Amino acid sequence: DQQVKQNSPSLSVQEGRISILNCDYTNSMFDYFLWYKKYPAEGPTFLISISSIKDKNEDGRFTVFLNKSAKHLSLHIVPSQPGDSAVYFCAARIGAGSYQLTFGKGTKLSVIP
Amino acid sequence: DAGITQSPRHKVTETGTPVTLRCHQTENHRYMYWYRQDPGHGLRLIHYSYGVKDTDKGEVSDGYSVSRSKTEDFLLTLESATSSQTSVYFCATEGLAGAGEQFFGPGTRLTVL
Repeated sequence: DQQVKQNSPSLSVQEGRISILNCDYTNSMFDYFLWYKKYPAEGPTFLISISSIKDKNEDGRFTVFLNKSAKHLSLHIVPSQPGDSAVYFCAARIGAGSYQLTFGKGTKLSVIP
Repeated sequence: DAGITQSPRHKVTETGTPVTLRCHQTENHRYMYWYRQDPGHGLRLIHYSYGVKDTDKGEVSDGYSVSRSKTEDFLLTLESATSSQTSVYFCATEGLAGAGEQFFGPGTRLTVL
């Protein structure tokens, strides 16, 4: 049973526009969420995170929104740039001191110049 | 970013042979993880370590063993490789469990023929 779901395998966006990547989760025990970006032949790199006590976290062009009642989070990238083209993974963990991250399958974002 | 290296970066081996992958970190992080990434599955945790000689199983640990004799090194061993273990393997580290993000190495692409 997949606990973290990224239902869109791919997304194409025009340069300068907004990219919205979505993630749903089923385990209500998750209370910390992260987004990673991955380029081909490289390891994932941390992008932004959010704790369940917040509903929004912003870092430059990247904003993550959390809707706990809907068990849904989204990553907004504004404005999108060609260098943002990568696979984006949503991940979740349970509680402080928890070791395990549960990842979604990823969404491949293509930003078209 | 944490200094994480993985060796080898690529390996082709035959079914039934033993394989050991190495992860080396220079950040003195206590926690280390081994993941595998497969199409349609995202990243899945194989084993993790919460200190020297302290390890535990993750989601997909069957067929794998690990060892950690020094803080900086975490070894993943496939005792008898099978074709189902063809994958990309990522090592990750974390300074404080649950405190934030995990840092990933560049990955090892393993092909079992």
